[in-house]
Amino acid sequence: NAGVTQTPKFQVLKTGQSMTLQCAQDMNHEYMSWYRQDPGMGLRLIHYSVGAGITDQGEVPNGYNVSRSTTEDFPLRLLSAAPSQTSVYFCASSPSETGAYEQYFGPGTRLTVT
Amino acid sequence: AQRVTQPEKLLSVFKGAPVELKCNYSYSGSPELFWYVQYSRQRLQLLLRHISRESIKGFTADLNKGETSFHLKKPFAQEEDSAMYYCALPYPGDYGQNFVFGPGTRLSVLP
Repeated sequence: NAGVTQTPKFQVLKTGQSMTLQCAQDMNHEYMSWYRQDPGMGLRLIHYSVGAGITDQGEVPNGYNVSRSTTEDFPLRLLSAAPSQTSVYFCASSPSETGAYEQYFGPGTRLTVT
Repeated sequence: AQRVTQPEKLLSVFKGAPVELKCNYSYSGSPELFWYVQYSRQRLQLLLRHISRESIKGFTADLNKGETSFHLKKPFAQEEDSAMYYCALPYPGDYGQNFVFGPGTRLSVLP
């Protein structure tokens, strides 16, 4: 199993550009999430999904869109990149059993917006 | 709002010394607490959770509700313990089993 994969590993964007961060998992997990990590702060939840076709906002959703058309994939779209979105982005998945609570993380995407 | 604080950004200890990574939380209710670890060039991964009361890689953590703390301890640090450690608790309510993470503590074990 590859686990949780993310592409690209690094990306530089100019202000106003859009892009999609890809995330896929091969563990048949129902739950998937996107976090961002900024210096001196913990990971903060952007969006999450509890199954195909179901998404919801996390703590910091503004400027991001998500969709979940399959169990495996959960892409994160930046609509119009801003310097404040410079961060490291982590995708995670977890099984849906109540109380399971172990998230499996991808390797991260380091995004710089100039 | 639920918060997790880790007062030390960096903790340096010598090999063989005891180590304690501090975590304090604010939570309305009975929390579950977790420690995640990220070794160099590896992914963030679960280290331990308080409800299992396991010792993983020699680390233990005790939930102290009176002090709202969940400090991570190891009696004898090893160089391979050098990593970034995050304390975390689940978001309350319907947040799909996601976590509120602390800012992390970088542990450096010196030879």
